[in-house]
Amino acid sequence: GDSVTQTEGPVTLSEGTSLTVNCSYETKQYPTLFWYVQYPGEGPQLLFKVPKANEKGSNRGFEATYNKEATSFHLQKASVQESDSAVYYCALRAYAQGLTFGLGTRVSVFP
Amino acid sequence: DPKIIQKPKYLVAVTGSEKILICEQYLGHNAMYWYRQSAKKPLEFMFSYSYQKLMDNQTASSRFQPQSSKKNHLDLQITALKPDDSATYFCASSQPTGDAEQFFGPGTRLTVL
Repeated sequence: GDSVTQTEGPVTLSEGTSLTVNCSYETKQYPTLFWYVQYPGEGPQLLFKVPKANEKGSNRGFEATYNKEATSFHLQKASVQESDSAVYYCALRAYAQGLTFGLGTRVSVFP
Repeated sequence: DPKIIQKPKYLVAVTGSEKILICEQYLGHNAMYWYRQSAKKPLEFMFSYSYQKLMDNQTASSRFQPQSSKKNHLDLQITALKPDDSATYFCASSQPTGDAEQFFGPGTRLTVL
């Protein structure tokens, strides 16, 4: 089956520093890739979709480029804020109808 | 206004009982899904429906039965509840295409005693 592996958290940062959450995947199908963010007590919120190889997705200062050769799509943000504290999930949709999620990376940003 | 409504927000049940989790979406989508999130298996896909028909079932147990009475409703009936069923259950929806973004509801947190 499909699988997604991402940076093991927690990740602790100071405001204004950069964030990278690594994500790699395995699938025998051509995937559509997503990043989601989840705040305490809420459902996952879509950050953005990256449907095609070598394309970049972005939203709210976050971005990720789908590297088909490396089967990866790492999440990056140049300058984080305290409000970016959350759990970040990479996910893919390939063979199954539903999304396959990574285990999530808890990010804490301190002022 | 919330676009995906899940009811109730919290649910406590006793072992062996039966509960129904409610999901309604007002995004105009024709595909709906159920996911489960627990400490042991974060964000696990369970079912998908498209145009009120079951498309994919990744749940091994027949104790979990989705029910679609209207095209924007997908409820989840769980019978013979076990403590291991304790989790937060999320409903999601999307357009019925392979690369469509899925949008999630706020979840129902189920605790089985």
